[in-house]
Amino acid sequence: DVKVTQSSRYLVKRTGEKVFLECVQDMDHENMFWYRQDPGLGLRLIYFSYDVKMKEKGDIPEGYSVSREKKERFSLILESASTNQTSMYLCASTPRGYYGYTFGSGTRLTVV
Amino acid sequence: AQKITQTQPGMFVQEKEAVTLDCTYDTSDQSYGLFWYKQPSSGEMIFLIYQGSYDEQNATEGRYSLNFQKARKSANLVISASQLGDSAMYFCAMGRSYSGAGSYQLTFGKGTKLSVIP
Repeated sequence: DVKVTQSSRYLVKRTGEKVFLECVQDMDHENMFWYRQDPGLGLRLIYFSYDVKMKEKGDIPEGYSVSREKKERFSLILESASTNQTSMYLCASTPRGYYGYTFGSGTRLTVV
Repeated sequence: AQKITQTQPGMFVQEKEAVTLDCTYDTSDQSYGLFWYKQPSSGEMIFLIYQGSYDEQNATEGRYSLNFQKARKSANLVISASQLGDSAMYFCAMGRSYSGAGSYQLTFGKGTKLSVIP
């Protein structure tokens, strides 16, 4: 089975800290995505990547950056965490072709 | 821009009854995909069912079926014989072809919380 692993299930960080959320997939998928999920807002796309070192902005990229140095790993970076970035963060991957996504189990980030 | 609308924030259904979760979408694309995902309280997103815009038959997967009405731009999920384990958030999503990636880019609705009553 395809597995998408997010390194932390729960994370608490202080305002202004630099935060790294890591995502690793083990099925050689070309495409990887970062979403945030907030009650009443559904899932919103932050960034995605369709190849190593490639990245594209999603709908809400402000305050975030990403890194994809290896095919299996896609990192989301909060340069200076703020309280409005408290949310559930979901990573997903999919192979080239028209398929649905496989999601990780999510990281619930709290910024205090 | 793509838009997915799920008008039912929450729904209740009696165990063993069927339930329909509504989803409408807005797109000018000719080729697209429609997906439903389930998210239990544990948080993982579970893929349920897929319908391609050119598929003439409605998709079915076990107790799940997708009632696809292209002219109305609706893609409702029907769950037959509800079970207690069906209690979860359900998200409708539309996949738009992203040529650079050779894959879909998914846009999600806000979700419907389904509660199954014993």
